[in-house]
Amino acid sequence: AQSVTQPDIHITVSEGASLELRCNYSYGATPYLFWYVQSPGQGLQLLLKYFSGDTLVQGIKGFEAEFKRSQSSFNLRKPSVHWSDAAEYFCATGGSSGYALNFGKGTSLLVTP
Amino acid sequence: DVKVTQSSRYLVKRTGEKVFLECVQDMDHENMFWYRQDPGLGLRLIYFSYDVKMKEKGDIPEGYSVSREKKERFSLILESASTNQTSMYLCASSLGTGPGTDTQYFGPGTRLTVL
Repeated sequence: AQSVTQPDIHITVSEGASLELRCNYSYGATPYLFWYVQSPGQGLQLLLKYFSGDTLVQGIKGFEAEFKRSQSSFNLRKPSVHWSDAAEYFCATGGSSGYALNFGKGTSLLVTP
Repeated sequence: DVKVTQSSRYLVKRTGEKVFLECVQDMDHENMFWYRQDPGLGLRLIYFSYDVKMKEKGDIPEGYSVSREKKERFSLILESASTNQTSMYLCASSLGTGPGTDTQYFGPGTRLTVL
C-alpha cells in the first residue's frame, strides 16, 4: 500500500526564516502526492499536489514542494515564514482504497517572533 | 469555491447514545469521506462513498456506519457511542476524476466528546 512518513512531529522556526517540512513516500511507481495545511480549529486545505511532470510544484500561500525520486521525498518549502503559517501540515498520497488518501501523521509548525 | 459543511463544530454525548454527524457538499461531487483525527495518529479513514447508497469501509470502520441517501449529504452514525470515539471527525468530498489523483475538500470538522 502507498504510504507517507513525516519524520518531524514538531518544527519551530523564527518568523522570516526559511522552512522545510519533510515527507517520505513508500511506493514503487510514481506516486500521487499532496500537501495539506490545517490551521487551528479548522479543516484541511490543499496547498499543492504532484502527479507527474515538473518535479518542482508551486502551491498557494508561497509554498512549493520538490519531488525527488532518488530520495523518495516530497518536501515542502517556503523561503520566508509568516506567523500565520503556524499550523499542522499533512503530507498525503493516493490510498489503497482507490479514491481515498493515506495521510502522514502530520508536522506541527510553531513560528516564533 | 467548494464548500463542505458539517452540522456541528462541537458535540457532547453520553456513552451508549446514538450519534449522527452530518456532512453536506455543494459541488456535486461523486465521492465523500469520513476521517477521524487523533493526536499523533493523523487522519484515518472510517468510510467513504463513491455514489448514492454506495459505501466502502476504510481503515477503522468498527463502531461506525454511514448513510448516503442523497448525493450531497453523507452521514456518519455512531450506533452506541463509547468514550474511545471521542475525537475530531472530518468530512471530505472529491469530484471523482480518478483514483489517487482526486483533490479532497474538507469541512471544518466536528469535535465529539463522549462522556
